[in-house]
Amino acid sequence: QPVLTQPPSASASLGDSVTLTCTLSSDYSNYKVDWYQQRPGKGPRFVMRVGTGGIVGSKGDGIPDRFSVLGSGLNRYLTIKNVQEEDESDYHCGADYGSENNLVVFGGGTKLSVL
Amino acid sequence: DVELVESGGDLVQSGGSLRLSCVASGVFFGSHSMNWVRQAPGKGLEWISYISNSGSTIYYADSVKGRFTISRDNAKNSLYLQMNSLTDEDTAVYFCARISGSYYLYYWGQGTQVTVSS
Repeated sequence: QPVLTQPPSASASLGDSVTLTCTLSSDYSNYKVDWYQQRPGKGPRFVMRVGTGGIVGSKGDGIPDRFSVLGSGLNRYLTIKNVQEEDESDYHCGADYGSENNLVVFGGGTKLSVL
Repeated sequence: DVELVESGGDLVQSGGSLRLSCVASGVFFGSHSMNWVRQAPGKGLEWISYISNSGSTIYYADSVKGRFTISRDNAKNSLYLQMNSLTDEDTAVYFCARISGSYYLYYWGQGTQVTVSS
């Protein structure tokens, strides 16, 4: 099964841009990854899916245009432009593995702090 | 809008049981597969169970197989998770999540806290 690796933390100043990274283990370079935003005390919210060709499908409901994705090699990126206070959240990446005992595999999540 | 509301979380002793519920708003609940996902304190997300729209197909993660049972009642727009033989490793916030199109985990609830004390 794929292993998804995320840095535990990231930070950005108000109005700056920040890029979060999700790295797939080798042999899984063709996998798509879903990004989720989880605000403090809330359930996750689907942001968008990314493959090596960029976004796959549409953004999640209400996701601002400031959010975009890119994919390259084993890396799947989520970029937030003009970072706002409400973007301070945990960001999780997940990949559909499709196994009956492991349908979806997640990374450890990145906590984004807005300074 | 789709709204999912979990309930049933509680403090329970090791070896005990608990039943979680997830009620979905809106129509067409019976048209969509559902999942349970949990998040242990300070940890990432962990998918634990899936049920198809009719209930005919069910999957479990190895960590809960044989102890947890997923079920649904489409007439009541409700999803359930029966949890038996609980250990402190089951301490987590439990989320229900609904499929949408090709996305297994598109809509999420706010979660319900399960704490297992030894």
